[in-house]
Amino acid sequence: KAGVTQTPRYLIKTRGQQVTLSCSPISGHRSVSWYQQTPGQGLQFLFEYFSETQRNKGNFPGRFSGRQFSNSRSEMNVSTLELGDSALYLCASRWEGIRNEQFFGPGTRLTVL
Amino acid sequence: SQKIEQNSEALNIQEGKTATLTCNYTNYSPAYLQWYRQDPGRGPVFLLLIRENEKEKRKERLKVTFDTTLKQSLFHITASQPADSATYLCALDMDSNYQLIWGAGTKLIIKP
Repeated sequence: KAGVTQTPRYLIKTRGQQVTLSCSPISGHRSVSWYQQTPGQGLQFLFEYFSETQRNKGNFPGRFSGRQFSNSRSEMNVSTLELGDSALYLCASRWEGIRNEQFFGPGTRLTVL
Repeated sequence: SQKIEQNSEALNIQEGKTATLTCNYTNYSPAYLQWYRQDPGRGPVFLLLIRENEKEKRKERLKVTFDTTLKQSLFHITASQPADSATYLCALDMDSNYQLIWGAGTKLIIKP
């Protein structure tokens, strides 16, 4: 099976712009989670989607949004970018079982100038 | 709210020795605890999952323990190799929602 893929891998934007990141989960996985990772902060949970519905949401401002399509692919959008949004954005998918392991993509490195 | 502590300082271990990493948490014990490995510039990779009622779990050179009294999980790598050098993350599953709570990770360096 192909792993989780994320596009683009690298992105440079300027403050005030908006960005859309894409994630394709492993075939058959309907749960997709998004995380933000910055040095020393660990993984910060953004949101999880399951069957096109947002099932859980972390403590991020409304500038961060997402959606999931019927084929389980997911997109994440950040509007009005701030310097502090520079981070590695990771997407993870998992099987039906809640307790199962998460499979991560390689991430999108976003730099905001 | 639940907090997780992993040693923020890098752990330096001589090749061939056993590396032991610690994951401490506050408040309530999770139903499940997971360990992941992350290499620079890449996403974390799942290693082991241990349940609340399990004391120990093994997989090849890896061993995880879970002590709900101490509110601690230990992750051991025996016969460590330079290829084991990476950052290791623990994640708690509280069984109350679908969200994992992540530690910041410990960087492990195995010296030849």
